Amino acid sequence: NAGVTQTPKFRILKIGQSMTLQCTQDMNHNYMYWYRQDPGMGLKLIYYSVGAGITDKGEVPNGYNVSRSTTEDFPLRLELAAPSQTSVYFCASSTSTDTQYFGPGTRLTVL
Amino acid sequence: RKEVEQDPGPFNVPEGATVAFNCTYSNSASQSFFWYRQDCRKEPKLLMSVYSSGNEDGRFTAQLNRASQYISLLIRDSKLSDSATYLCVVNLPSGSARQLTFGSGTQLTVLP
Repeated sequence: NAGVTQTPKFRILKIGQSMTLQCTQDMNHNYMYWYRQDPGMGLKLIYYSVGAGITDKGEVPNGYNVSRSTTEDFPLRLELAAPSQTSVYFCASSTSTDTQYFGPGTRLTVL
Repeated sequence: RKEVEQDPGPFNVPEGATVAFNCTYSNSASQSFFWYRQDCRKEPKLLMSVYSSGNEDGRFTAQLNRASQYISLLIRDSKLSDSATYLCVVNLPSGSARQLTFGSGTQLTVLP
């Protein structure tokens, strides 16, 4: 039982490039979330999903897209990377209760 | 006003000390409350939930005051391994899923 896994761990992008951050959970959780954490700041919700085929915007969705084709996977897509998207990205999952389990994060730098 | 506010610290305390963190939240409709712990360059992990009657888990005690919209975390007999950032987290019923709102965190360093 690996919990929540994220790839890659680190990535450097040039302005305007695109990439997909991968997130997979093996706990059969319906709810999945993407957060970003800027230095010295709290986590901000980008997108979330309550089940396969259902996604919704969080607090800071601009510049990102998501999909949820399976219960296990919840990839986050950056289409046109900008320096403002330099951050640490955390994926999380949960059941109907409130406790969220986080992946180890992806550190993204956009230059 | 931020939805969840915490004193950022840092708190530097000697081993064995008692330290308290405070947190306030702005939305009176908030339903659930938590403390998460985040080690340097790691993911947040649930430390404990916070119940209306207050609750204790070993050296950690959490209190909730709904009238004042205030949450606290008390750590007794601090250990070096308690050094971390402590995140106050509040559940806001919103949209189709419960969403957690995170405070910016309070940094604790326990000194030998």
